[in-house]
Amino acid sequence: QVQLQESGPGLVKPSGTLSLTCAVSGGSISSSNWWSWVRQPPGKGLEWIGEIYHSGSTNYNPSLKSRVTISVDKSKNQFSLKLSSVTAADTAVYYCAGSKFGLSGLYYYYYMDVWGKGTTVTVSS
Amino acid sequence: SSELTQDPAVSVALGQTVRITCQGDSLRSYYASWYQQKPGQAPVLVIYGKNNRPSGIPDRFSGSSSGNTASLTITGAQAEDEADYYCNSRDSSGNHLEFGGGTKLTVL
Repeated sequence: QVQLQESGPGLVKPSGTLSLTCAVSGGSISSSNWWSWVRQPPGKGLEWIGEIYHSGSTNYNPSLKSRVTISVDKSKNQFSLKLSSVTAADTAVYYCAGSKFGLSGLYYYYYMDVWGKGTTVTVSS
Repeated sequence: SSELTQDPAVSVALGQTVRITCQGDSLRSYYASWYQQKPGQAPVLVIYGKNNRPSGIPDRFSGSSSGNTASLTITGAQAEDEADYYCNSRDSSGNHLEFGGGTKLTVL
């Protein structure tokens, strides 16, 4: 069973860069179609940040695209998030997730079937 | 702002049936997936595809879709079902993901 574990600094200074890594265990990073980062500010809903295919193709949330880079390291079976020029609004619990995507009949399906436990990142001086 | 619209809050009496809905144009092409999130915990997938439950999800959870609306139904709600529920889909372009704003379910 695939498991995900986020890691990285819990405190980042304003204007700095947030860097997180998601380690994939119990399976290969090539086993799911896409690998995503999702965040949740305190008391708010889920926000998709971006995703990477195990080949390296990426998609990003348009509202964050100018500040986000997601990369994959297949040799280490992990993928990473970098978010630059952070402000207090970037304070959130950050989750990594693995997803599956395909076509069933006339409809596409997409779902995130494995999630990390999340890591809290606070932006503060 | 989310392009998937959910009611912010819904309540249900213990043992009764509740439907949580999610509206969005992308749902005319994509099945929604549904996630349950309890305080301090990561989201958990409860419904995906046309109406599929991951292993370990009780069969009182079911999903359906019509037009631009997806629904999550809990038949015989239990106290442990009290949680936030989020729908999720790719957007109409297929290049981005969307989450609904979430529905807080209270079991009375």
